[in-house]
Amino acid sequence: GQNIDQPTEMTATEGAIVQINCTYQTSGFNGLFWYQQHAGEAPTFLSYNVLDGLEEKGRFSSFLSRSKGYSYLLLKELQMKDSASYLCVPSDSNYQLIWGAGTKLIIKP
Amino acid sequence: GAVVSQHPSWVICKSGTSVKIECRSLDFQATTMFWYRQFPKQSLMLMATSNEGSKATYEQGVEKDKFLINHASLTLSTLTVTSAHPEDSSFYICSAREGGTHTDTQYFGPGTRLTVL
Repeated sequence: GQNIDQPTEMTATEGAIVQINCTYQTSGFNGLFWYQQHAGEAPTFLSYNVLDGLEEKGRFSSFLSRSKGYSYLLLKELQMKDSASYLCVPSDSNYQLIWGAGTKLIIKP
Repeated sequence: GAVVSQHPSWVICKSGTSVKIECRSLDFQATTMFWYRQFPKQSLMLMATSNEGSKATYEQGVEKDKFLINHASLTLSTLTVTSAHPEDSSFYICSAREGGTHTDTQYFGPGTRLTVL
């Protein structure tokens, strides 16, 4: 079956760094997306990885290891507005996006 | 770039009525658009995939006669919830894929919150 495993909830302090880990099992693989979703809002695109390695985009970086079925999202210089759910979304052999419940990140002052 | 709009943002309707939701890609052409539904504290659930000029592909368990999808142009797709019932109350979100390849990113509209009384 297809499965995504992320922590349900994480807490971090404003200005700090947090890493959200994700392991996945899919039928085939065609890349992995990270989306941010604030409560009551639609997801917004953060990053896409298809090859192994680190992709850096401003305060956010995303890493992928295909052999390990593992990805992480790294958020630096945390701001209060970063409080949201972060969704690790792999794409399977049919290019279907596999959605889980994500990780709820709480930022404290 | 890659902006997707949805209209309306929220709607309240009586049981038995039909509701139409519009999804537009504002600054790009979207060959493929997707319709999702999300219940509180649950993950997004794909309802259907819509390709411009052809019939939508519905996911298992989604009634195509109840959720009518029309993708008449490269910038507009509509979802009509027919004979809505309280259990249809949910957050409906569309996304549009920029570009013609499957690995292109899906960009989401802001969502439509439907409440059926």
